[in-house]
Amino acid sequence: GNSVTQMEGPVTLSEEAFLTINCTYTATGYPSLFWYVQYPGEGLQLLLKATKADDKGSNKGFEATYRKETTSFHLEKGSVQVSDSAVYFCVLFGGYQKVTFGTGTKLQVIP
Amino acid sequence: NAGVTQTPKFQVLKTGQSMTLQCAQDMNHNSMYWYRQDPGMGLRLIYYSASEGTTDKGEVPNGYNVSRLNKREFSLRLESAAPSQTSVYFCASSEVRGRGEQYFGPGTRLTVT
Repeated sequence: GNSVTQMEGPVTLSEEAFLTINCTYTATGYPSLFWYVQYPGEGLQLLLKATKADDKGSNKGFEATYRKETTSFHLEKGSVQVSDSAVYFCVLFGGYQKVTFGTGTKLQVIP
Repeated sequence: NAGVTQTPKFQVLKTGQSMTLQCAQDMNHNSMYWYRQDPGMGLRLIYYSASEGTTDKGEVPNGYNVSRLNKREFSLRLESAAPSQTSVYFCASSEVRGRGEQYFGPGTRLTVT
């Protein structure tokens, strides 16, 4: 079956540091890949997505590139802010309701 | 638009009690989902409804039932709550079956003692 592996957290960074959260996947076929963000006490919100190999998703300064050769979809941001503190989920959609969530990576940004 | 709404926000039950979690969406989406979120396990799909009038089991359906009341509403029922059902429950919806992009409600934190 499909699976998603995210780096263990929590990740603690100083403000303006560079962020990378690793995500790798296994899947058959041609899945779509997403990053969702969950702020404290809230539901998940879509951050960005990529639907085919070599696509780059981007939003709010975050980026991720769909790499089929390395089965990866790493999340990056050049300069994090305190307001980016949240839990980030890598999600794979394998078609017809087959959604697989990573376990989430908690990011804490300190001033 | 309110998006996806859930009630209640918090609930404490005793073992063996029953309750229904309510979910509604105002985006005219066809598909709706119920997930549970447990520490270190991400989100796991309990049940989903691909369209009005249909429901299907997800990864962890035991101990739960669902009803797709109409296109807007999708409820989750615990007939006899157990401590293992202590979790945060999220409802979600998506526009088109098979597209993957889902919109989530704020969640219900349930504690079973």
